[in-house]
Amino acid sequence: GAVVSQHPSRVICKSGTSVKIECRSLDFQATTMFWYRQFPKQSLMLMATSNEGSKATYEQGVEKDKFLINHASLTLSTLTVTSAHPEDSSFYICSCLFGTQYFGPGTRLLVL
Amino acid sequence: AQSVAQPEDQVNVAEGNPLTVKCTYSVSGNPYLFWYVQYPNRGLQFLLKYITGDNLVKGSYGFEAEFNKSQTSFHLKKPSALVSDSALYFCAVSLRSGNTPLVFGKGTRLSVIA
Repeated sequence: GAVVSQHPSRVICKSGTSVKIECRSLDFQATTMFWYRQFPKQSLMLMATSNEGSKATYEQGVEKDKFLINHASLTLSTLTVTSAHPEDSSFYICSCLFGTQYFGPGTRLLVL
Repeated sequence: AQSVAQPEDQVNVAEGNPLTVKCTYSVSGNPYLFWYVQYPNRGLQFLLKYITGDNLVKGSYGFEAEFNKSQTSFHLKKPSALVSDSALYFCAVSLRSGNTPLVFGKGTRLSVIA
């Protein structure tokens, strides 16, 4: 099946710093990618829809200036958590659309 | 609006016994239904999906799911559970064949006991 990678797999950062998470489709091109967030023992919540070459569409309650999304190519979307705070600590998962959605392995972010 | 309910937080089953993980959905149109599995600190792995056609859908690792329109259910089943099936299972729904964001249930943790 289709392979999606995320980098880094886990990151620890200090409060106030910015963190960039990459999502890549390795063997297919994805016009659309989705970014989800998962809190411990909870389900995935959609943060935004990323379309190649256009601005991302954010879900209600998600701050677009805090969670910057760039979908610069058909195989790469990035999520940048700006001025991270401890409450941003979470598991971030991307998915790439290729007929169906294929999910990346996730990135665990811990903000100290 | 679409929604998915997984009524059980936890399901325990003995190895070799059949397992069922329940899922019910609510959508305004024709549903596209999915099951994913998540192992600790990992992303989601696709198990199976229902788009149209036969109500019984067969997927990866011996899993299957039955679409029941009258009961708005899409329960996940496996005839004989393995210890390695222990994981977190998510049911999800979308209004188109997966090319819109998925709405997930809260997940059900399956524990298969040897």
